[in-house]
Amino acid sequence: DAGVTQSPTHLIKTRGQQVTLRCSPKSGHDTVSWYQQALGQGPQFIFQYYEEEERQRGNFPDRFSGHQFPNYSSELNVNALLLGDSALYLCASSLSGGLAGTDTQYFGPGTRLTVL
Amino acid sequence: DQQVKQNSPSLSVQEGRISILNCDYTNSMFDYFLWYKKYPAEGPTFLISISSIKDKNEDGRFTVFLNKSAKHLSLHIVPSQPGDSAVYFCAANALGGANSKLTFGKGITLSVRP
Repeated sequence: DAGVTQSPTHLIKTRGQQVTLRCSPKSGHDTVSWYQQALGQGPQFIFQYYEEEERQRGNFPDRFSGHQFPNYSSELNVNALLLGDSALYLCASSLSGGLAGTDTQYFGPGTRLTVL
Repeated sequence: DQQVKQNSPSLSVQEGRISILNCDYTNSMFDYFLWYKKYPAEGPTFLISISSIKDKNEDGRFTVFLNKSAKHLSLHIVPSQPGDSAVYFCAANALGGANSKLTFGKGITLSVRP
């Protein structure tokens, strides 16, 4: 049973560029959440997708956008990259409407984004 | 404004002894709490969780205690093993389940000495 997968593993971009990160959820999961983890910090919630729509959003600017596809996989897009966007981007998947204890969020290995 | 606080950045314990990792929160709306473990170059791995209707949850060597009046929870690892050396994150959410937005602390680096 494949867990959460993310691609690419590492990425280097320059300021002002745009980036797309990808996530495939754990088999059977229908909900994808994205988090940003800066160095020395805990993960910070960006947004969550369910049924191809953004269901919740954290305190991130509109430069951060996402998409969920019919197969539940998801993309995170960041426009007009800033130096401060350098971080580990984590994707987590879960099952909405599942029994208590089955809706835990499971994380992928992350994509390390460096903005120069 | 840190709603989940892990005030000790690191902890070192001897193999076989107990590890106690602490976490405080400020948001009274939080009603579900989780602990994740993270190794370098890997994503966080779910360890154990507790609902606010309980004050203790146990899973093997891991036990989480919740003190709602103090807005404090702790993770106990007994006995500690060298493979437990990792960064441990405390996380919390509201709305009665683990599915909604998680708010994380900064993490505690645990080192278990052989």
